[in-house]
Amino acid sequence: DARVTQTPRHKVTEMGQEVTMRCQPILGHNTVFWYRQTMMQGLELLAYFRNRAPLDDSGMPKDRFSAEMPDATLATLKIQPSEPRDSAVYFCASGLVEWVQGQGDYGYTFGSGTRLTVV
Amino acid sequence: EDQVTQSPEALRLQEGESSSLNCSYTVSGLRGLFWYRQDPGKGPEFLFTLYSAGEEKEKERLKATLTKKESFLHITAPKPEDSATYLCAVQARNAGGTSYGKLTFGQGTILTVHP
Repeated sequence: DARVTQTPRHKVTEMGQEVTMRCQPILGHNTVFWYRQTMMQGLELLAYFRNRAPLDDSGMPKDRFSAEMPDATLATLKIQPSEPRDSAVYFCASGLVEWVQGQGDYGYTFGSGTRLTVV
Repeated sequence: EDQVTQSPEALRLQEGESSSLNCSYTVSGLRGLFWYRQDPGKGPEFLFTLYSAGEEKEKERLKATLTKKESFLHITAPKPEDSATYLCAVQARNAGGTSYGKLTFGQGTILTVHP
């Protein structure tokens, strides 16, 4: 089965350090999402891309977070500087979004996540 | 703003005891309603997408239904391996009738099935 690959799986870092998380979406998928999951907030959308172009990043703290897709096989989420409140599991998901009404928009495939701990 | 509320927060069942999970939503034009299963330490796993009121989908012991205000995930004769967190999400239709694709998730229902 095709899968979304995220690295690293776990990251422990000190406050103030830069953190970069990577995601390899499924080949052929045109939409990539970044979600953050915490016990308190559940799954929150941070940013997403369609055909590598950013569509919405309103869920991200702009001063410290940035998301990019340098090519179709790689999406990155960067935090600089990191803070303890950024501790969470970060998920990447990809999918194929069709524009024909009533068709497509199949379920998105999530990666296994990056568990980030900022101390 | 799109909102999704799932109930109950946690559900404990005995093996074979059927039940239902609820997902209530408010969205400015529903494009699709998604159900996911999440096991501890893993990412959400796609189960179903429902597009219109009255639609039903089944997969093994699970059946999802949709009305204009809520969706139910019915679990028939559950087994311990059905224990997981079940997440519901909505996708809104934009002004042009298509969708930008983003999902808004509920907090999930933690299901525990005892043998």
